[in-house]
Amino acid sequence: GESVGLHLPTLSVQEGDNSIINCAYSNSASDYFIWYKQESGKGPQFIIDIRSNMDKRQGQRVTVLLNKTVKHLSLQIAATQPGDSAVYFCAENRAEYGNKLVFGAGTILRVKS
Amino acid sequence: DTEVTQTPKHLVMGMTNKKSLKCEQHMGHRAMYWYKQKAKKPPELMFVYSYEKLSINESVPSRFSPECPNSSLLNLHLHALQPEDSALYLCASSPDNYDTEAFFGQGTRLTVV
Repeated sequence: GESVGLHLPTLSVQEGDNSIINCAYSNSASDYFIWYKQESGKGPQFIIDIRSNMDKRQGQRVTVLLNKTVKHLSLQIAATQPGDSAVYFCAENRAEYGNKLVFGAGTILRVKS
Repeated sequence: DTEVTQTPKHLVMGMTNKKSLKCEQHMGHRAMYWYKQKAKKPPELMFVYSYEKLSINESVPSRFSPECPNSSLLNLHLHALQPEDSALYLCASSPDNYDTEAFFGQGTRLTVV
């Protein structure tokens, strides 16, 4: 069936290193993707988004890459900090359903000091 | 104001109780959402309102009843819930109904006893 999923459930990185969180999606009709960060006890917080007519987008310390050929999305965090520790979700907007934002399984990022 | 405000933050209710969750935003957003999130799982879409009309119902049981009184408010009425309905209920809003980021509230932690 259609799904948005993640390859790695938990990622541990050393403070100062770069982090890469991956996401696979199966619906080739999806045209908009978002990365969210969720800290314990809080709602998801928008990090960065990308539309399907782009393959890369950069923000402050974060970069999202989109490979439509293999239906793969990644989030790169530069110089990871302890405050980056959280669960990261990719979300896919399925255009044929209007605004139906579907979340992937999530990756736990742990930053070691 | 870039916030989505949810009340209450915590709610404990019995299986015979009737309660309501409330969500408010003053960003002028025209799409509003209810999500349910169980521990260590991604948010699952329940309902989407677009321009105050219900546009998506993800086959949610009738013991959950959404209501959108105006463009700033979204309610979720609860009746005869089961213990397995205990979860974090998240409200979100977005500017319109297509390919735009959704802003999330902090959620209501619901416990059904």
